[in-house]
Amino acid sequence: ETGVTQTPRHLVMGMTNKKSLKCEQHLGHNAMYWYKQSAKKPLELMFVYNFKEQTENNSVPSRFSPECPNSSHLFLHLHTLQPEDSALYLCASSQLGQGALDGYTFGSGTRLTVV
Amino acid sequence: GENVEQHPSTLSVQEGDSAVIKCTYSDSASNYFPWYKQELGKGPQLIIDIRSNVGEKKDQRIAVTLNKTAKHFSLHITETQPEDSAVYFCAASNRGGADGLTFGKGTHLIIQP
Repeated sequence: ETGVTQTPRHLVMGMTNKKSLKCEQHLGHNAMYWYKQSAKKPLELMFVYNFKEQTENNSVPSRFSPECPNSSHLFLHLHTLQPEDSALYLCASSQLGQGALDGYTFGSGTRLTVV
Repeated sequence: GENVEQHPSTLSVQEGDSAVIKCTYSDSASNYFPWYKQELGKGPQLIIDIRSNVGEKKDQRIAVTLNKTAKHFSLHITETQPEDSAVYFCAASNRGGADGLTFGKGTHLIIQP
């Protein structure tokens, strides 16, 4: 247990389904992130929330919709996905303070398959 | 934006030998450089990091070096062991990571018994 819990671990969904990924951090951090990990590609930053405010959206398609109700919880709502969206979705948290970052703590990820 | 290149993509070494993984970055404003280890079925785990005000940092068998002029940094693992087999990612960020980390593509390290 890394202190960042992601559910579900595995998800298979059809292209017309709506589902949500959940992330919870138990570390008291004030920033949370969604990353997409595909085979043979770098981890791609999707969304950044600092102090519950979204500060980064790296041109992510609108079929991905993040929600951060508080500093401990982060959701990724999915609808009308495409097969190329199949990947490992990783959540991370960190503590941003005065000066530099203190590293991320990642969850184990949700393995998403779109059929 | 930042771009991080990582080499090699696969590295095979004999148990007990040293392994070196190298990364370059493009944004001279980057000031934080972490390394992550990812084992099968798990998320990446921070193993060591370095900030731009130092040139080298060591933690037991793991060390990281940074050359800001050349914009490259390296991970060194000495006396490799079977449990070191994993995928290793370098990353870079500026603004204290407030904009998120930019990762390299990863290096699959294989320790041969």
